[in-house]
Order: sequence, then structure tokens, then C-alpha cells
Amino acid sequence: QSALTQPRSVSGSPGQSVTISCTGSSTDVGHYNYVSWYQQNPGKAPKLMIYDVIKRPSGVPDRFSGSKSGNTASLTISGLQAEDEADYYCCSYAGSYTWVFGGGTKLTVL
Amino acid sequence: EVQLVESGGGLVKPGGSLRLSCAASGFPLSSYTMNWVRQAPGEGLEWVSSISGSSSYIYYADSMKGRFTISRDNAKNSLYLQMNSLRPEDTAMYYCVRVMDVNMVHWGQGTLVTVSS
Repeated sequence: QSALTQPRSVSGSPGQSVTISCTGSSTDVGHYNYVSWYQQNPGKAPKLMIYDVIKRPSGVPDRFSGSKSGNTASLTISGLQAEDEADYYCCSYAGSYTWVFGGGTKLTVL
Repeated sequence: EVQLVESGGGLVKPGGSLRLSCAASGFPLSSYTMNWVRQAPGEGLEWVSSISGSSSYIYYADSMKGRFTISRDNAKNSLYLQMNSLRPEDTAMYYCVRVMDVNMVHWGQGTLVTVSS
């Protein structure tokens, strides 16, 4: 149950695109197409932004997109807006009703 | 509207016990796997435990095995987490989460557990 690896921080200017990576292993990210991404604002509960690698829940802007290659998943936010500044966490299903999270990435909008 | 409301957090001494509750509304609890996820102050998210709709399947993160017990009462629309032998490193916000397929879709606002002498 090792945590997934994310960069501690990323930044971008309004209107730009940023990508956050999430590296796991062949037993989690690489094995299942069940990677999800969560946005968390200070003092708030996490909010689901992407699930099943590429799917967006209703209400999430299409500026948010997900992808996966091998053991690494990615979240891309295009057309960056000030309101996107938050912490982002990836999560992968790891089989048998177990899950593993990434360490989190702080997104700063310059 | 789906609502998850956690309660039962508080200050407890090392070695002590605490029972967290999660009151669910807006959906039939029995139809869903439920998780507990925690977040230590200033740290990331950590999956704690999961329980299937009928309680047939129960799993724990390695560091919680033998100390934490997850349970549910579908008739009362409630989820529980009994935490024993608490350690300072168990200090965290504990979230109740509804799982849809294998995705953690709905989260409560959390209840804070502080383990300190």
C-alpha cells in the first residue's frame, strides 16, 4: 500500500495549461482503469473531478481532463483560472476494496 | 440530496478509544460500499477502511489493522469506525465517503480526531 507519487507543487498563469502527474505501480495505476482525481480547497472536503481515468462528473468544467499511460496517470487543467488554485490528489483502486492516494499537489495560479 | 454527516471526533489520550459515526441520508445506505478516509493536519489523504453494502467485505489499511473496526447499520443509515489503541499519528480529520462502482464520489465534511496527552 505505497502512496502514489505526485509533484509537491505546480504553477501556471491564467489561461495556461498545467499537468499533474501521478505515478503508481503495476498493481494499482497500471493494472486498473480506476484512477480518480480530487480537488481540495483549504478547510473543505475533497471534491471528485475525474474518475475512471478520463470521465468527468456532471458539473466539472471540461477544462479538466485525465489520461493514463502505463503506471502514470495525469490530470490536465487547460485555460487555468484563479479558482483552480487548490490541492489536487490522485487515487487509484488497488483491488479487493482497497485504494491508494497520491501525496497531493499544490496548484498555484500566478 | 446525498448527505454524509460525521460525528464522534474529539480529544483522546494515547492508548484511548473513540467511536466515529456517519449519518447518511438521501440514498439507501445498503446499496453502497462505504469508506473512511483520513487526513492528518497539513498532510495528504489516506484510505483507512472499506465495508461493502452487506458488510460481507471489510478491509483496512495495514497501519489500522487490529486497532480499527468498521461497521454499519443499514437500518439506521449509519456507518461507524471504532478506533482503539490510538496513537498521536492517528490525529487527523476523518471523512466518511460513499463509493460508487470504485470511485469515492460523495464525502462528508469530516470529524477531527486529536490524540494527545
